[in-house]
Amino acid sequence: GAGVSQSPSNKVTEKGKDVELRCDPISGHTALYWYRQSLGQGLEFLIYFQGNSAPDKSGLPSDRFSAERTGGSVSTLTIQRTQQEDSAVYLCASSLGQPHSGANVLTFGAGSRLTVL
Amino acid sequence: AQSVSQHNHHVILSEAASLELGCNYSYGGTVNLFWYVQYPGQHLQLLLKYFSGDPLVKGIKGFEAEFIKSKFSFNLRKPSVQWSDTAEYFCAVNGWNTDKLIFGTGTRLQVFP
Repeated sequence: GAGVSQSPSNKVTEKGKDVELRCDPISGHTALYWYRQSLGQGLEFLIYFQGNSAPDKSGLPSDRFSAERTGGSVSTLTIQRTQQEDSAVYLCASSLGQPHSGANVLTFGAGSRLTVL
Repeated sequence: AQSVSQHNHHVILSEAASLELGCNYSYGGTVNLFWYVQYPGQHLQLLLKYFSGDPLVKGIKGFEAEFIKSKFSFNLRKPSVQWSDTAEYFCAVNGWNTDKLIFGTGTRLQVFP
């Protein structure tokens, strides 16, 4: 597609429920990123996928968070047993993934705003 | 591990004032450096980037940034801000051989007419 699509745009859930957030990157982009944006915390790196390599999960805050990327395209971020502190905007971005060429410019989606009551 | 520090959390300026936002990074090797901007209600977008060559980089809307390797800094500047520059500004860094992009906590800029 023309841009990075994320769904849902807004999600309100009750504490303890599981949620799934979806990201559809730009076609042809091999790198896909998830970030969390909350007030005062800036953009917190969660995970990134690059082609067929094992994902870098070093930013996931707990084992309640997981992500997968099927077929090298669409990605789903899953948060199990949600807590109030998980409330934030979850941003997805994709890029051509070519750091040596300077082409690694991220295109961001609009984000999924998660509110945990 | 990579890290980025933005010391100015909230900056308030009048139109035509000069702007400088600080950014310092920590990384033990060659880096790529970026400034992204998020205007109210809009997606994050690239403002400018440094990859190699001239350490003074010019971006969109009259912004520029200077990479000073000895200071591990990549400060953003604009000689004369406009009301439309009101936004949140994020500095980011990735190592030369990795795609992993780490962002700072952001600086909220408010420009009053």
